[in-house]
Amino acid sequence: EAGVAQSPRYKIIEKRQSVAFWCNPISGHATLYWYQQILGQGPKLLIQFQNNGVVDDSQLPKDRFSAERLKGVDSTLKIQPAKLEDSAVYLCASSFGYQETQYFGPGTRLLVL
Amino acid sequence: GESVGLHLPTLSVQEGDNSIINCAYSNSASDYFIWYKQESGKGPQFIIDIRSNMDKRQGQRVTVLLNKTVKHLSLQIAATQPGDSAVYFCAENLSGGYNKLIFGAGTRLAVHP
Repeated sequence: EAGVAQSPRYKIIEKRQSVAFWCNPISGHATLYWYQQILGQGPKLLIQFQNNGVVDDSQLPKDRFSAERLKGVDSTLKIQPAKLEDSAVYLCASSFGYQETQYFGPGTRLLVL
Repeated sequence: GESVGLHLPTLSVQEGDNSIINCAYSNSASDYFIWYKQESGKGPQFIIDIRSNMDKRQGQRVTVLLNKTVKHLSLQIAATQPGDSAVYFCAENLSGGYNKLIFGAGTRLAVHP
């Protein structure tokens, strides 16, 4: 069974630029999550989708972060404009349902200069 | 507030010894707990989980213990191997929510030959 796919794996940008990350969840998984993991910390949930609807975006900095999950499969997370403090690993996870085990992708490492 | 913490930030063990990684959680309403392993450059990998109606659950070489009285969780790894070297996170799932996981900061396990 293929796991969660993410791209790109690495990204370096300058502050105030924009960046987008892509995630393809495990086939059949209805729930998709985006997490931010700052170096030395545990992952922090940014947004959670159930199919293509948002169920939790309480910790998403909505002035600069946006995410969508069109057709209930792939998802993109965008940052515009980026700040230095956005440097982190952005992890995508998926689960069959919202009470099921979450499986993580490899993450995208973002460095903002 | 919502938080999951760990007693020890780093743990060094000899190959073949048993390892115990501890975790304290703060939300008594949490009903589901998960241990993840994260190797350098990779996303978190599911190890084992336990629901609040259980005290103990065993997997292959791993055992999770849950003490709800003192809100404590532990992960025991038997016959620790070099491949077990990683950062281990515990996470709690708040009951009644949409599978929102709160992660702790992590414990680094270093296995020495």
